[in-house]
Amino acid sequence: GAGVSQSPSNKVTEKGKDVELRCDPISGHTALYWYRQSLGQGLEFLIYFQGNSAPDKSGLPSDRFSAERTGGSVSTLTIQRTQQEDSAVYLCASSPPGANVLTFGAGSRLTVL
Amino acid sequence: DAKTTQPTSMDCAEGRAANLPCNHSTISGNEYVYWYRQIHSQGPQYIIHGLKNNETNEMASLIITEDRKSSTLILPHATLRDTAVYYCIVRVTGGYQKVTFGIGTKLQVIP
Repeated sequence: GAGVSQSPSNKVTEKGKDVELRCDPISGHTALYWYRQSLGQGLEFLIYFQGNSAPDKSGLPSDRFSAERTGGSVSTLTIQRTQQEDSAVYLCASSPPGANVLTFGAGSRLTVL
Repeated sequence: DAKTTQPTSMDCAEGRAANLPCNHSTISGNEYVYWYRQIHSQGPQYIIHGLKNNETNEMASLIITEDRKSSTLILPHATLRDTAVYYCIVRVTGGYQKVTFGIGTKLQVIP
């Protein structure tokens, strides 16, 4: 596709359940970012992948959060044992090598009941 | 990445120019200024970036002071669709590092 694709667009889950959010970046983009945006708040950095380098996980809020990027393309953000405070929009972005213009997806809205 | 400071909110009359300031007094010589905006319920969208010269594209103009410690994003004729949160960030182009966003400026365009 032409843009960054995220799925699901909406996810409602019960407290304690695990969820997986998927990001399909633009083809050829080596950098991939995950952000979290709670209602009315700014963008909170979570994790950054760059090519084959070790990811920068400095923004992950707890060990319940993890992310993988397989084959340098698709990424999955996993939240284990979800809590109500995890409710937010999770945004993914990618950028090409040598450039720093980020293209964002539409986000995945997570609601934890 | 250098830290930026922006006003929390601004109003602008429809059809008038919107001038959004950003302070980045600790910017390094190789760091660019980038602007993004986020319209409600959408992902952020890139607007423009620059190093030291003023830049213009179809969306906006970017004015960077000579000492590079501040910049202004100009929307020449604001429309209601320009109502959004505008983020100013600074970073090295081509650098492999995370990108962090502040809280941005909430621009409200008023009819």
